[in-house]
Amino acid sequence: NAGVMQNPRHLVRRRGQEARLRCSPMKGHSHVYWYRQLPEEGLKFMVYLQKENIIDESGMPKERFSAEFPKEGPSILRIQQVVRGDSAAYFCASSPGQGRVSLHFGNGTRLTVT
Amino acid sequence: AQKVTQAQTEISVVEKEDVTLDCVYETRDTTYYLFWYKQPPSGELVFLIRRNSFDEQNEISGRYSWNFQKSTSSFNFTITASQVVDSAVYFCAPLGVTFGTGTRLQVTL
Repeated sequence: NAGVMQNPRHLVRRRGQEARLRCSPMKGHSHVYWYRQLPEEGLKFMVYLQKENIIDESGMPKERFSAEFPKEGPSILRIQQVVRGDSAAYFCASSPGQGRVSLHFGNGTRLTVT
Repeated sequence: AQKVTQAQTEISVVEKEDVTLDCVYETRDTTYYLFWYKQPPSGELVFLIRRNSFDEQNEISGRYSWNFQKSTSSFNFTITASQVVDSAVYFCAPLGVTFGTGTRLQVTL
């Protein structure tokens, strides 16, 4: 399967713990986007990364959230000291170029904070 | 700044009815791409269509058709003879990265 791979599919964390969400883009794609979907809401852009660079993090909360896309390995979205309001589906998408081609989405990671 | 508006939060139709989902956007870009995605109850996101902003021809793919009007910054999506399997949330992403809030379509028998 050469699609966008996200893991884990489901993640349960207690308040105050850290959540690490991983995304491996499609082969040949060097652009990664993270979105958050709160229950019964639309997709909210969080951050756009290229290899080793954050291009646009305008949708990322200023505290507790960080993202990286290292030279080797998957992109990581990290949420520190999770709170119940962080419970959501987090989708990763990749593209070979910036925004001019369709985004290929992973199946998402569903984070539940208890 | 880019802005996308899907004014219809939820639409409910009976099978075989036609339904149109509206999408209006704002951008200062002169050339851009327009997209629609579908999110069925299973939760994954499915790419439906990509159009470029200098091609205003309507596009038809089976029961799906898209009407792009640059003059009104709209990119509407019509499902003809809807089916229960069309029940999903449909997202417009007229600028590639910015998504609308989605329209939930419920098709009943």
